[in-house]
Formats: sequence, C-alpha cells, structure tokens
Amino acid sequence: DADVTQTPRNRITKTGKRIMLECSQTKGHDRMYWYRQDPGLGLRLIYYSFDVKDINKGEISDGYSVSRQAQAKFSLSLESAIPNQTALYFCATTRTGSTEAFFGQGTRLTVV
Amino acid sequence: GQNIDQPTEMTATEGAIVQINCTYQTSGFNGLFWYQQHAGEAPTFLSYNVLDGLEEKGRFSSFLSRSKGYSYLLLKELQMKDSASYLCAVRGRVSGGYNKLIFGAGTRLAVHP
Repeated sequence: DADVTQTPRNRITKTGKRIMLECSQTKGHDRMYWYRQDPGLGLRLIYYSFDVKDINKGEISDGYSVSRQAQAKFSLSLESAIPNQTALYFCATTRTGSTEAFFGQGTRLTVV
Repeated sequence: GQNIDQPTEMTATEGAIVQINCTYQTSGFNGLFWYQQHAGEAPTFLSYNVLDGLEEKGRFSSFLSRSKGYSYLLLKELQMKDSASYLCAVRGRVSGGYNKLIFGAGTRLAVHP
C-alpha cells in the first residue's frame, strides 16, 4: 500500500460543481501540502498545513479551501469548479526536521 | 519572493553525462532539492543540498553554490529510464519561521539510444 494515498485518482466534473480531493498518509508526518501541476508551470503550492488546526495559503489558494481533519488526513475542496482548475493535483507530506517530501500518486481533475 | 529557473527541455545520448542547471532567488534559503518525475507519476526525491559543494549518490550528483543562487544535477552513464522531468525545488523561510518548498517548472530530459 502507498504511504500517501489520494482519492479519487481521476475525476471529471462539471463547471460549478463542488468537489473534494482527499489525501491520507500512513507515514506519521505532521506536515501536509497540496500542489497543482500544469504543463510548463511545474508544481505550484495551493495550501499547506504544519499540524492539525494549522492552515496556510500557498501561491494559488483562490478558488480552493482545505481541511486538516486529522494528522493523517488533508482534503482539498473546489467550492465551485471552473475549467481552468483542470490540472494534476498532488498531495505531499514531510516530517518537521526532515528533508524529503513524499508525494501521492496524483489526482487528474478535468472540469468541463 | 521566490523564483526558480531551469531549462525547459534537454536531450542526451544513452551512456553520456548530462548537467541540468537551476538558478534561484529566495529569502531565508534553507535547502535545495532535486526530484525526478516520470510522465503522469508522482515526483520522487533524488537529492538535497543545504551547504555549498557536491553531493554524490550513485550515478546522480547535485551541486550547490549559495552565493550564486545556483545548483546543478549531474546524471552520469545515462540510461533510457532516466528520461523524465527533473524538478528543482527550494525551501525558503517564510513568516512565522516556517519553511515552504517551492518548485521550478522542471526540465524534461529525453535520452536517446
């Protein structure tokens, strides 16, 4: 089983719909991140959380919200999806003091 | 703010050596990372530099010069499976003492026979 699991892996949704992407980890890490990846733009940070109840905006948080329900779970919501939110979304985790980030397998989201 | 630049694409021949450069600007530098990402897959950690100099790990080496805001990833004895995107990422300190990891756009490396 993967250490960092994202669900769903693929999703097609309509403009205006609310959608939630979920991330869970079994690594016991305290820090969790949501990134989106677009061709030619690399990974851009949406939100990050350094502990339960700690939520911080990243570079491109507009149109997104997050919830850190437990240390192991960090969900990303699109309240009203729009086509330019079509992208590959990655969840990542790190442990305070550690150098390596571990990524989930990604969620490919298409908004039509 | 933070800014990271790396070439968009590179090509190389199997068995050869390739160097992928990365320049960065950041406040509160606290480490530079290289990740490998195959198409449609998750990035995987390759290397970490926080002090100046060369870090070697098998066929891969990474170099850092903090005064120049410069790093490179060196891949030796290239194999076809090395065809992937290579992401340079910088960890910088933001307000509150927290670290934030910011990625460059990545360099897509194509290895040819």
